[in-house]
Amino acid sequence: AQSVTQLDSQVPVFEEAPVELRCNYSSSVSVYLFWYVQYPNQGLQLLLKYLSGSTLVKGINGFEAEFNKSQTSFHLRKPSVHISDTAEYFCAVSSNTGNQFYFGTGTSLTVIP
Amino acid sequence: GAVVSQHPSWVICKSGTSVKIECRSLDFQATTMFWYRQFPKQSLMLMATSNEGSKATYEQGVEKDKFLINHASLTLSTLTVTSAHPEDSSFYICSANLLGGYTFGSGTRLTVV
Repeated sequence: AQSVTQLDSQVPVFEEAPVELRCNYSSSVSVYLFWYVQYPNQGLQLLLKYLSGSTLVKGINGFEAEFNKSQTSFHLRKPSVHISDTAEYFCAVSSNTGNQFYFGTGTSLTVIP
Repeated sequence: GAVVSQHPSWVICKSGTSVKIECRSLDFQATTMFWYRQFPKQSLMLMATSNEGSKATYEQGVEKDKFLINHASLTLSTLTVTSAHPEDSSFYICSANLLGGYTFGSGTRLTVV
């Protein structure tokens, strides 16, 4: 089975500052890794995903994440945040068979003007 | 891209009544769909896996007689909350598994009064 740990439940950051949202996973098999964003009362939108290949993954809205197998991490980064980035961010993992999906507990990102 | 349409987006019902939530894959066939529940400020918890033409697989602790899932076609899965009670008030989200990722519906906010 897989599991995901998001170490920070809340991250406040000033506008135009960089941000990193941390995600660690555990699994005994090869995994796929994902980051999703959720705005209030809405579904989830895929930011980016790692399936294979390059460990640095670029997504939408200027976000990127790096897969680090030795540290079992998949941290999400953005060099300069905007007010519109205020939302809940979820890290997720699935096995490479894709039969199930496990979410982290989420990180609430608040961008301060 | 692949789209999952979920309806209704919100519903208010009286305690003791039943509510049906629909999840449709608009431009692809989904043999498997997943239903999640999300309580305020919490992560998404998998409730059940819906398989077209067969019985759903429920996660531990989820009452199959209360949360009825039907996946009668390759493009439609429904979740019926039977005899709803205020504690069933939550945000329900469906998703479909595509190769290399998951697509989520926009969610349904259920409020039982």
